[in-house]
Amino acid sequence: GAVVSQHPSWVICKSGTSVKIECRSLDFQATTMFWYRQFPKQSLMLMATSNEGSKATYEQGVEKDKFLINHASLTLSTLTVTSAHPEDSSFYICSADAWGTDTQYFGPGTRLTVL
Amino acid sequence: GNSVTQMEGPVTLSEEAFLTINCTYTATGYPSLFWYVQYPGEGLQLLLKATKADDKGSNKGFEATYRKETTSFHLEKGSVQVSDSAVYFCALIEGGTSYGKLTFGQGTILTVHP
Repeated sequence: GAVVSQHPSWVICKSGTSVKIECRSLDFQATTMFWYRQFPKQSLMLMATSNEGSKATYEQGVEKDKFLINHASLTLSTLTVTSAHPEDSSFYICSADAWGTDTQYFGPGTRLTVL
Repeated sequence: GNSVTQMEGPVTLSEEAFLTINCTYTATGYPSLFWYVQYPGEGLQLLLKATKADDKGSNKGFEATYRKETTSFHLEKGSVQVSDSAVYFCALIEGGTSYGKLTFGQGTILTVHP
């Protein structure tokens, strides 16, 4: 079946630094990818929708300058958390629409801890 | 806007017990409805879906029926196993498709004991 990978699976960084998270569709092309944030014991909140070759569409309340999204190819989207602070610590999950399969596939998530 | 409400957990059951996890939704138009499952340490996986009223989605012994009149999509399984222990999310996409932005419920933790 279709697989979505994320790298890294976990990362610890110092406050003020930037962190890049990659989301790859391994065996299918994804014209649209989504980035979610999941807090402990809470649901997934959509942060942005990423379309290959165009600017991401951010949900209300999500700072586009803080969470930079680049969808450079049909198999890769990246989320960069700029100038990270402890309140950015969370579980970040990406998903991808698999064209032709009528299904959205999820990555395993990336645990970000900002000290 | 759209919203999904799930019954609060955690839910703890003995093996072979009957499972129901309630899910109700609010949406404009006619959404597609989904149940996703997240096993420990893994990503979300699609469990089942229904794209129009009265459709029944089923997979791995789990079932859910799209009830437009009660705006519900309750998840059921007749006999749970220890391996069903996971977090279950109800979700919707506007417009009756399987592409696009998912709106999730808060998730329900299920623990099944031998």
